[in-house]
This record gives sequence, structure tokens and C-alpha cells, in this order.
Amino acid sequence: DTGVSQNPRHKITKRGQNVTFRCDPISEHNRLYWYRQTLGQGPEFLTYFQNEAQLEKSRLLSDRFSAERPKGSFSTLEIQRTEQGDSAMYLCASSPRVGGVGNEQFFGPGTRLTVL
Amino acid sequence: RKEVEQDPGPFNVPEGATVAFNCTYSNSASQSFFWYRQDCRKEPKLLMSVYSSGNEDGRFTAQLNRASQYISLLIRDSKLSDSATYLCVVRSGGSYIPTFGRGTSLIVHP
Repeated sequence: DTGVSQNPRHKITKRGQNVTFRCDPISEHNRLYWYRQTLGQGPEFLTYFQNEAQLEKSRLLSDRFSAERPKGSFSTLEIQRTEQGDSAMYLCASSPRVGGVGNEQFFGPGTRLTVL
Repeated sequence: RKEVEQDPGPFNVPEGATVAFNCTYSNSASQSFFWYRQDCRKEPKLLMSVYSSGNEDGRFTAQLNRASQYISLLIRDSKLSDSATYLCVVRSGGSYIPTFGRGTSLIVHP
């Protein structure tokens, strides 16, 4: 399967714990996005990478959230000191460098986080 | 006012019906527009881009109205398999941030 992959698919954690999610984009895609989606809402943009550069991070929900893409390939999203309000689906998407930023994004299956 | 607004529905239509959704956006500098489809418990997938001149793909037609700041999606001859949530996406010029609407739920029944 050459699509976007995310691991783990499900994560259950206790409040106060740290969690890290991984996203492997489509190999030739240099753009990578992280989103959060809650029930009944559309995906909410969190951050954006072009290669290894994090070009937009102003929408990360708090300083407990951070993301990296150290070699311009896979990315990780970390949430420190999780809270129950962090429970959501975390989606990763990638897109090719074609025709500017406004092009198709390919989404991974998401990581569903449950904070107890 | 939200940046991108959609009627959440659900729109409940019989097979064969024609149904249309609108999506309004608040930023007049918006440049890129898309419709994505999301099935229950699945990831969003691109349905179609929306160009200034409109865009048609089979039974699906998307239109952009810059003066009134909305985009529309028309589905003709609805199929049961069209049942899904349709997400509107807008991006402003010079911004990396795509903004999704909350989605419109469509249920096509026999």
C-alpha cells in the first residue's frame, strides 16, 4: 500500500501522560499536514511542513502540542500532559509539490486518541 | 461568523434525486476551493476541485460564486453509494492553512 499511513490507529491513555503519533506520507510528497477532527466537525488544521521545514504552527492547540519532520519524510505529533479534551481523531495528510499549495491532499486513516 | 460554513444536514433524498449543497466563506481573499467526501469512520478524500469556471465530473458539478462568496456542489441521479459527509475546503491566497467546513451529511435512501 503506497498511501499515507499512521500509527498507531488507536491510542488509549490516562490523563497527564504523553503520547506520540507517527505519519508516513506518500514517498514523493514533500508537503505534510496534521489535523484534529472531533465528532460532527471537519478536520481542524494544526500544522504544516514543507520538506523538513515547519512553515505553519500557529494553529497548534497549545504548547503541549509539537510536531517534527526531521528528515523531510515521516512526521511525529506529540501531545504532552494529555487532557480529556484532547480525545479526538488526529489525521495526517500529504500532497505533492505541484501547482502551488492549493492542491489535493491525501489523508491517512488517522489515529484515534482516547484520554481517560 | 465562521470562516467556512456548511449546513450540517442531514439531507435525506431518494435514489435518483438531484441534491445541492452550498458552502459559504468569509475571506474574500480565498483562492483555492475543494469538495472532499468523508465516509463514516474513514478519512476524507478529494471529490473535486472548484475552479472559477466551474467543474463537472460525471454526476457531480461544482460552482464558485465569488461575488456572494460561496461554492456549491450539485449531485444528479443520486446513488445509495453517495451517502457520506461532504466537506468544503477553502484556502486563502498566501496562506498554507486549508480551512474545512464541518461537512454536510447526505443520506440517499432506496
